Amino acid sequence: LAKTTQPISMDSYEGQEVNITCSHNNIATNDYITWYQQFPSQGPRFIIQGYKTKVTNEVASLFIPADRKSSTLSLPRVSLSDTAVYYCLGARLGYSTLTFGKGTMLLVSP
Amino acid sequence: DAGVTQSPTHLIKTRGQHVTLRCSPISGHKSVSWYQQVLGQGPQFIFQYYEKEERGRGNFPDRFSARQFPNYSSELNVNALLLGDSALYLCASSLDWAGQGNEKLFFGSGTQLSVL
Repeated sequence: LAKTTQPISMDSYEGQEVNITCSHNNIATNDYITWYQQFPSQGPRFIIQGYKTKVTNEVASLFIPADRKSSTLSLPRVSLSDTAVYYCLGARLGYSTLTFGKGTMLLVSP
Repeated sequence: DAGVTQSPTHLIKTRGQHVTLRCSPISGHKSVSWYQQVLGQGPQFIFQYYEKEERGRGNFPDRFSARQFPNYSSELNVNALLLGDSALYLCASSLDWAGQGNEKLFFGSGTQLSVL
């Protein structure tokens, strides 16, 4: 499965746009890129998923360039409640395993 | 609709004991996966069951076992507990087999297991 690398932590302020980049150099043709959010003492929560180009939903956007070796999660106008760990992972057709790394700890300050 | 429910929420055991963790998936979901999350790490895949059959197993010892019942609920069993088994155990359900690649997983809040 695609090995992903993302920053350990990021800091932001309320109202700012946050972009978290994830690299996945060995991504396979049948890998989807998925992002999850996790708050303390809770299970991860699905945020967004994409295969290529741009995907947008009500909470985030996901940008995947043509070579698919990286992806960027964009959170518009973050609030304090967006403080959480964000995981970038690859999900492959035919494999039931999701491989989580350590994720990115996003701290949003007032 | 109720989300994924896990019980108990917290559990304290001693080394060598056995533990059973339970999970009820979202209504209509046929797949259940189990993950172990040690403090400071991301969740690690343990098992996945789909339609009551094991569809995936992570790199965990045979002390870990699981099953899925006809109503799609699931149990995770851990025998001969070690201190290192202390972790948050997460259950996730999905509508279909998680090996679709783009299947969305819905996680419960987990069972916090402490082994003393």
